[in-house]
Amino acid sequence: AIRMTQSPSSLSASTGDRVTITCRASQGISSYLAWYQQKPGKAPKLLIYAASTLQSGVPSRFSGSGSGTDFTLTISCLQSEDFATYYCQQYYSYPGTFGQGTKVEIK
Amino acid sequence: QVQLVQSGAEVKKPGASVKVSCKASGYTFTSYGISWVRQAPGQGLEWMGWISAYNGNTNYAQKLQGRVTMTTDTSTSTAYMELRSLRSDDTAVYYCARSKRYSGSYLFDYWGQGTLVTVSS
Repeated sequence: AIRMTQSPSSLSASTGDRVTITCRASQGISSYLAWYQQKPGKAPKLLIYAASTLQSGVPSRFSGSGSGTDFTLTISCLQSEDFATYYCQQYYSYPGTFGQGTKVEIK
Repeated sequence: QVQLVQSGAEVKKPGASVKVSCKASGYTFTSYGISWVRQAPGQGLEWMGWISAYNGNTNYAQKLQGRVTMTTDTSTSTAYMELRSLRSDDTAVYYCARSKRYSGSYLFDYWGQGTLVTVSS
């Protein structure tokens, strides 16, 4: 199975900060990469798919980039509602696998 | 709007079985598949398997083969996941998610609210 590694595992940031999370695949996955946001006690929510396509209704401060093995999720101006855990997921090959998550906490 | 509503929390003893339901609304049920993803306490996300709501074809994660069965009832737009021979490490929140297949795997665009399954003697 393809291993997805996120960094950092956690970060502290302030409202208004620019935040970048990286995700590395153990082998090339083209652009078959999604990002999900999960708040405590809630289900994950799809933010971005195809590495850079924003899901309908997701604020434009979220953006994604990358292809092959290296990907990034950027939040351009962190809002209070963005404090959550973020997961990347590859859907290039079976079985689809998730990164271990990045927890974004309030500084 | 797309909604997936799951059944309530369950407490089971080791060796028992559990069946979780996921009722879909707001879209044509047979146009998408349903995946099941679980999350152990404080842990990450693990894909369990997928079922086509169109024809009932299934694809299960290798580690769960033989213990899991996924079914659908198109008359009620409901998907079901049954897990047998429960162990303590099956304690988790179980999510259903609307799924579309791309390349070799699945993208999850809408999720149910989750069902906590606790396995304890």
